[in-house]
Order: sequence, then structure tokens, then C-alpha cells
Amino acid sequence: DAGVIQSPRHEVTEMGQEVTLRCKLISGHNSLFWYRQTMMRGLELLIYFNNNVPIDDSGMPEDRFSAKMPNASFSTLKIQPSEPRDSAVYFCASSFSTGGQRQYFGPGTRLTVL
Amino acid sequence: TQLLEQSPQFLSIQEGENLTVYCNSSSVFSSLQWYRQEPGEGPVLLVTVVTGGEVKKLKRLTFQFGDARKDSSLHITAAQTGDTGLYLCAGEGTYKYIFGTGTRLKVLA
Repeated sequence: DAGVIQSPRHEVTEMGQEVTLRCKLISGHNSLFWYRQTMMRGLELLIYFNNNVPIDDSGMPEDRFSAKMPNASFSTLKIQPSEPRDSAVYFCASSFSTGGQRQYFGPGTRLTVL
Repeated sequence: TQLLEQSPQFLSIQEGENLTVYCNSSSVFSSLQWYRQEPGEGPVLLVTVVTGGEVKKLKRLTFQFGDARKDSSLHITAAQTGDTGLYLCAGEGTYKYIFGTGTRLKVLA
């Protein structure tokens, strides 16, 4: 089992540019979570999907952020336009279901917006 | 809003020492998880506790869930340098887990 795969691992971009982060779930998992981690705010849940449907996006900071799950094994998180305050490590995690299950985290994407 | 406060925020100890980190909330959780995160990696689940008062052991790590299911502790006996990392607790909310603020542990040789 390859685990949760995220790409890119590192992204450096300039303010105003569009950024797309990608995540491949573990085969058979049907829940997908996107998190953002910073020293100041810790690990924050941005959005989660169950069976490809967004269930709760209340953690998405603003309209500049959007997430999609075009199929059962893949998701993207897009930031457009990016701002320096978006700099953080973004993790996706997958699990068999949403409640009470173990989440398997990917290695993260470190985003730096200059 | 459910919040989980962890203490201490930072901890630096010598190899061989014992330590306890805490995870506290004013909310009741149906279960609570502990994760360890190493630099450059995602968090990895250590344990899930479900019943109030439950104690689970994982080698030198002892996890306890408070009787009221509002708090938890993690005790490490004879810490080793390999225990270094960020320890996160996560309480089960509605359909998702809410993560605590984290305790950053450094064990010195």
C-alpha cells in the first residue's frame, strides 16, 4: 500500500498566482480531509469529503480556496489568487469513513507564497 | 466551538526522564486520538481511547482518557531520542476530528 500521496511536496510561488495541490487517497478509503498546519494556528481542518461529496467546508478560509474530488481516489485544493498568508504545510488525509476512524495522512505540501 | 488545549506547548528533556503531556477541553468527546508527527511528515496515529477512564499502553507510552471524556494524558517512561516530535490529540466531533494545539517534545541524548 503506497499510502496517501501528495504533490508537489514543495511549492514556491509569487503572490497572485494560482496554486493547485493534489492528493491521491488510499485505495478503498471513502473519506478525504484537507488540513492546513502553521506554527501559529496548528492543524486546521479546511474541508472534508465523504463518497466524493463535500460534507463540511466551514474551515475553508475564503473564496480564494476551492477543493474538488473528481473521482473516488483523487482530490485537488486550489488557491487563486494566492497570498503570503497562505504559506503553510497542507496535508490531506483519508479514512474508511468520517466518524471515529483512523486517518492516514500524506507527507504534506509545503507552500511558500512570496 | 470545541477546542482542545494541550500543555505544555514545548518540552525539552534528557533521555531517560519521564514526562506527561495533557490534552484538555470543556467539551465531551466520544473518542480521542493521539498522533505523533515527525519533521517533514504527516501525523501518525498512536492510539484511540473510547471509554471514560480508559488506559492504554503502547510500550513506554501510557494513554489515559478522563472519566468525563473531556481530557486525556500521555505519559512517556524513560524517554528516548526517538520520541522527539510533535504530539497531537484529536477529539471526535460530529463526523470529524478536532485537533489540539500540540506539544512539541525534544529528547536530548
